Amino acid sequence: EPEVTQTPSHQVTQMGQEVILRCVPISNHLYFYWYRQILGQKVEFLVSFYNNEISEKSEIFDDQFSVERPDGSNFTLKIRSTKLEDSAMYFCASSVQGVETQYFGPGTRLLVL
Amino acid sequence: GIQVEQSPPDLILQEGANSTLRCNFSDSVNNLQWFHQNPWGQLINLFYIPSGTKQNGRLSATTVATERYSLLYISSSQTTDSGVYFCAVVSGNTPLVFGKGTRLSVIA
Repeated sequence: EPEVTQTPSHQVTQMGQEVILRCVPISNHLYFYWYRQILGQKVEFLVSFYNNEISEKSEIFDDQFSVERPDGSNFTLKIRSTKLEDSAMYFCASSVQGVETQYFGPGTRLLVL
Repeated sequence: GIQVEQSPPDLILQEGANSTLRCNFSDSVNNLQWFHQNPWGQLINLFYIPSGTKQNGRLSATTVATERYSLLYISSSQTTDSGVYFCAVVSGNTPLVFGKGTRLSVIA
């Protein structure tokens, strides 16, 4: 069964450094998403992406964040200058249509020191 | 925006017991999903169920959209069922909005 993949599974970085989280959505899906989950809290929406542009973003998704689909398969989330409070699990998800089932990747656990 | 409330927040079960988890939402939805977050943090899709009833093995779910709630039933629970169960909804054009989850512990 096709699945969403994410790399790396874990990343440790120093405050102020740039990080890029990578995702490969399911191949025939058209909608792509990033969510994050701070330890012990609920999952929060960051951004959705459709037709090569951002379709919606939350208040969390400020100028420090950017997304890109550099080729036909990868979908990336870049955090330009990490802060301690960016430490969280980051999930990528994809769906065929916007209101249909979203399939989540296994997540990247980011720790900012 | 839409509010999603899950109950109970915590649940401890003896292996073999049955349980019902509830998700209430404050507005009409066009997508509702149940997830299981395992101890490794992975979010596993259980059901896509904006309305009606579905079953998958020992798990089943029912959404009564007109009354704005969904129920997840776990029968004959096993220790591997432990983790956090999340309900998440889409209302209109909103992204998935998650509840705070129900933390389930199944003890042998």
